[in-house]
Order: sequence, then C-alpha cells, then structure tokens
Amino acid sequence: QQQVKQSPQSLIVQKGGISIINCAYENTAFDYFPWYQQFPGKGPALLIAIRPDVSEKKEGRFTISFNKSAKQFSLHIMDSQPGDSATYFCAASMSNYQLIWGAGTKLIIKP
Amino acid sequence: DTGVSQNPRHKITKRGQNVTFRCDPISEHNRLYWYRQTLGQGPEFLTYFQNEAQLEKSRLLSDRFSAERPKGSFSTLEIQRTEQGDSAMYLCASSFDGGGYEQYFGPGTRLTVT
Repeated sequence: QQQVKQSPQSLIVQKGGISIINCAYENTAFDYFPWYQQFPGKGPALLIAIRPDVSEKKEGRFTISFNKSAKQFSLHIMDSQPGDSATYFCAASMSNYQLIWGAGTKLIIKP
Repeated sequence: DTGVSQNPRHKITKRGQNVTFRCDPISEHNRLYWYRQTLGQGPEFLTYFQNEAQLEKSRLLSDRFSAERPKGSFSTLEIQRTEQGDSAMYLCASSFDGGGYEQYFGPGTRLTVT
C-alpha cells in the first residue's frame, strides 16, 4: 500500500512532441505528489508538485494531471526538448517527511 | 551557492572499512533527510532530522549505519564495517518546516565498496 507504481520504464519522444509519464498509488492518505528530474551523476531536482485538492497544475512546459478517484497522476512535458532527456521520478508523501518514490522513467528526446 | 552540498562526491573503500559522509543543508532549512539510491532505482528513505533530533529511521538503516546532526546544522552519515551491498548513491535533502513538503536534494555521495 506504500508503493508508487510508475510507467513506462523508458520513453523515446521526438523533439517538439509531448512526453507523458504516469504514476499510480494505493494509499489514500498520501497528500503530496512531486515530480523530480535527475541527470546522470546528479541529485534529483524538484520539478513540480501537486496536492490532491487540485486536478491540474502547470508550470511552463510541465503539467501535472491528478485523478483522485483513480488514484493516478501524470506528468506531461509539452514541446519536449533534447535538454529534457533525463530520468523522471514521481513520488508521494503523507507525513511531511518520507517520500515514497516510483521506479523512474528514462526519457530520451530525439532531435 | 545556497543549495544542499555533500562531501565527498565519490568514495571508494574496501569491505570492512568505516566511511563517513557529510551533508550541509540549505541554511534556513531545519529538516534534513538521508536517502539511498541504487542504479536504476528511485531513492529509498533512510532517516530524517528536525533540527538536531532524529525523528524517524527506516528499517533499511541497519545498526552499522548511524546519522547525527549536531546543533541542527550539518549532518553526518557513518557506515561501519562496509559491505559490498552498501555500494550506492547516498543523497541528502533538506526542507523548511512549515513551508510545505518540498525537499531539495544535494548532488549525492557515490560509494563504491570493493
């Protein structure tokens, strides 16, 4: 019940296209859902986050869509660029400390 | 640079040796977290501090692992009698209590146990 399931494991998108990564959770006590971007050899960087009282949040080219009834949330990257090539992690938290992480999605943007 | 810093960035050690890592959080953040990340996986929570108090420890944190945060500033993570299974990236993050749940990560310390 503590798991966060992330898909796909890897994703190849053409430059300018939309990248979509999905996550699902079971524990309805989760109340914070961030997405992190990680480049090789670097620590994760907070990209965007949402709380369950909001169905969508947009920051620049990045949008989180949240479906509380389905217990799913997704990251959309619009106009994907080669510089977006990285590993993306979804996560969830219910206690203001411990983040439960998905397994990650390796995104490759083809020029 | 006002981000989270970690030292050393890389550590190679022989099995059975002790190692210590340091994390300096963002200065106004009073919460500090340690995570472990193995290749191809998401980070796993190890422990967290609020100021100098260690409030939660994961079952992953065996008795060979100890973390401290004296005076509520920097933190150290020590691994005694290292094993090959300890090889991983050790990540530190910090956050501001009351400012939301946002955790900001350092660059990590890559540990290789030979």
